[in-house]
Amino acid sequence: SQQGEEDPQALSIQEGENATMNCSYKTSINNLQWYRQNSGRGLVHLILIRSNEREKHSGRLRVTLDTSKKSSSLLITASRAADTASYFCATDYGNNRLAFGKGNQVVVIP
Amino acid sequence: DAMVIQNPRYQVTQFGKPVTLSCSQTLNHNVMYWYQQKSSQAPKLLFHYYDKDFNNEADTPDNFQSRRPNTSFCFLDIRSPGLGDTAMYLCATLRDPLNEQYFGPGTRLTVT
Repeated sequence: SQQGEEDPQALSIQEGENATMNCSYKTSINNLQWYRQNSGRGLVHLILIRSNEREKHSGRLRVTLDTSKKSSSLLITASRAADTASYFCATDYGNNRLAFGKGNQVVVIP
Repeated sequence: DAMVIQNPRYQVTQFGKPVTLSCSQTLNHNVMYWYQQKSSQAPKLLFHYYDKDFNNEADTPDNFQSRRPNTSFCFLDIRSPGLGDTAMYLCATLRDPLNEQYFGPGTRLTVT
């Protein structure tokens, strides 16, 4: 299986600021998804971008995909304290099987 | 509300003592997954059911088994837990051909 991999740094930002995190993967994909996980809880699907798409928006979320560089980024605009969580990218490597990256912890300070 | 439910939320078991974790769903999704997530790590897919068809990941230890008696329920059996099996176990569902997986809250398993 392949792993999406986020840049390992944790983010600590002030409420209202933007948060950006990156993800890289190793082989071809059908789609790439981003999930959020609050401490000790299950994951929540945020957004999906297909391999033939370059950018997608959903509310305060913006995701980009560069298949030539095998990388994706997630931008959260105007962050809120409730955005404090771990964010994972996941690549669909076939038949809806997901390989998750290591996760990026985001702390939004009120 | 339609949802994915996992029981128990917390489980402590002794080394070598079999344990079963439960997942149920009211979404009527045809695909169910089990993931293992160790502390500060990414979730790792163990196996999944596509309807009644069981699909094991190549690197899932034989110690891990699963049962899906009907659409709503799926069980994870660990036959002889080792200390290294201490982890959060996450159940997820999906309605094919859609791509979004719905996760339960997880069962935190501690092997002592």
